[in-house]
Amino acid sequence: NAGVTQTPKFRVLKTGQSMTLLCAQDMNHEYMYWYRQDPGMGLRLIHYSVGEGTTAKGEVPDGYNVSRLKKQNFLLGLESAAPSQTSVYFCASSAPFSGSSYEQYFGPGTRLTVT
Amino acid sequence: TQLLEQSPQFLSIQEGENLTVYCNSSSVFSSLQWYRQEPGEGPVLLVTVVTGGEVKKLKRLTFQFGDARKDSSLHITAAQPGDTGLYLCAGKGGTSYGKLTFGQGTILTVHP
Repeated sequence: NAGVTQTPKFRVLKTGQSMTLLCAQDMNHEYMYWYRQDPGMGLRLIHYSVGEGTTAKGEVPDGYNVSRLKKQNFLLGLESAAPSQTSVYFCASSAPFSGSSYEQYFGPGTRLTVT
Repeated sequence: TQLLEQSPQFLSIQEGENLTVYCNSSSVFSSLQWYRQEPGEGPVLLVTVVTGGEVKKLKRLTFQFGDARKDSSLHITAAQPGDTGLYLCAGKGGTSYGKLTFGQGTILTVHP
């Protein structure tokens, strides 16, 4: 059981380049999330999805786009990368109505550097 | 916007010492979670507290949810080097599709 996987693990981009981060989960979870983690700032929600074909903005959505064409996949796109987007990106998933827990299961992260 | 203030940001102690990490907010949360994250990995859930005043124990770790559901604490007794890591608190609002608000995190280092 792989849980949540993220591709790639590391990436270096030049300013203005574009890329897509892929997240896949095999737990049949309805909800999926993209976060960025920066030193001293915890995890900040970029975008999230409550089901296939739906997406919504989180706390820091500017400069990012997402798509959820299949229930198991959640893609995060950077159309024109900026140095301020240098960060570690985490994908997570959770199941709705899972009692009081709403435990989020996280992937291993993607370390992105924009030069 | 709900905010969670976590303190301290850094904690460096010797093996065998006790420590407490705090998570405070002016907002009420329907539940609060504590995660632990190791270098190069994603956070992993330790516990969820739901009821005001609730106390949960996980071996040497004790978690408490404030009576008003605005704050929480994590207490570790007799810390061990294996407890080293980043500890994150996360609060869930009432109707938020499972969305969590995370604190800034506490980096704990336990020296042998």
